[in-house]
Amino acid sequence: GAVVSQHPSWVICKSGTSVKIECRSLDFQATTMFWYRQFPKQSLMLMATSNEGSKATYEQGVEKDKFLINHASLTLSTLTVTSAHPEDSSFYICSAVPSGRNTGELFFGEGSRLTVL
Amino acid sequence: AQSVTQPDIHITVSEGASLELRCNYSYGATPYLFWYVQSPGQGLQLLLKYFSGDTLVQGIKGFEAEFKRSQSSFNLRKPSVHWSDAAEYFCAVGPYGGSQGNLIFGKGTKLSVKP
Repeated sequence: GAVVSQHPSWVICKSGTSVKIECRSLDFQATTMFWYRQFPKQSLMLMATSNEGSKATYEQGVEKDKFLINHASLTLSTLTVTSAHPEDSSFYICSAVPSGRNTGELFFGEGSRLTVL
Repeated sequence: AQSVTQPDIHITVSEGASLELRCNYSYGATPYLFWYVQSPGQGLQLLLKYFSGDTLVQGIKGFEAEFKRSQSSFNLRKPSVHWSDAAEYFCAVGPYGGSQGNLIFGKGTKLSVKP
């Protein structure tokens, strides 16, 4: 149990276009999901906390107009990279916390690799 | 400043040999400590975690870690490495009782296993 899936696994897009990445909890409900960014040979950096039915909370330095997060249901959060540029190329990972189950464990998606040409 | 340091970027061990991956942290409050493993193209999987109590914690796949408060360390160990253990390992620290997503990750240690 506690499977999180991301789609797409990888995407290539042209500079200036927008890309949407989905994060789904397949067998549990998640009031809260998290979005991370991972650069090559770097650690994961928390970008934002996605809360079902409310606005996301962004970490300092993350442009909320650039990285749009929507958490419209208890099993789906989406990250949209708007007007993507080559510097947005990265590995984006989401994680989720099962609602009502505080074990201290996060369940991670498999990640989505974005390449902006 | 809060941080996690994994001093070894890349470690190579022979299959069957013992393994220790180092992790040091700097954290202003009582921490939660975690080790995650990431296989290529995969998300992160929790190996083990420490919240309180016994400072030696057992995890999945035969891994264990020891919390040493005096050394601000949480090193990961395995007595006998298998080829399937080749992956990237991340140490993370989080706020005790705080937002679980707000983990601080180390830069990771890549483990290669020689046959």
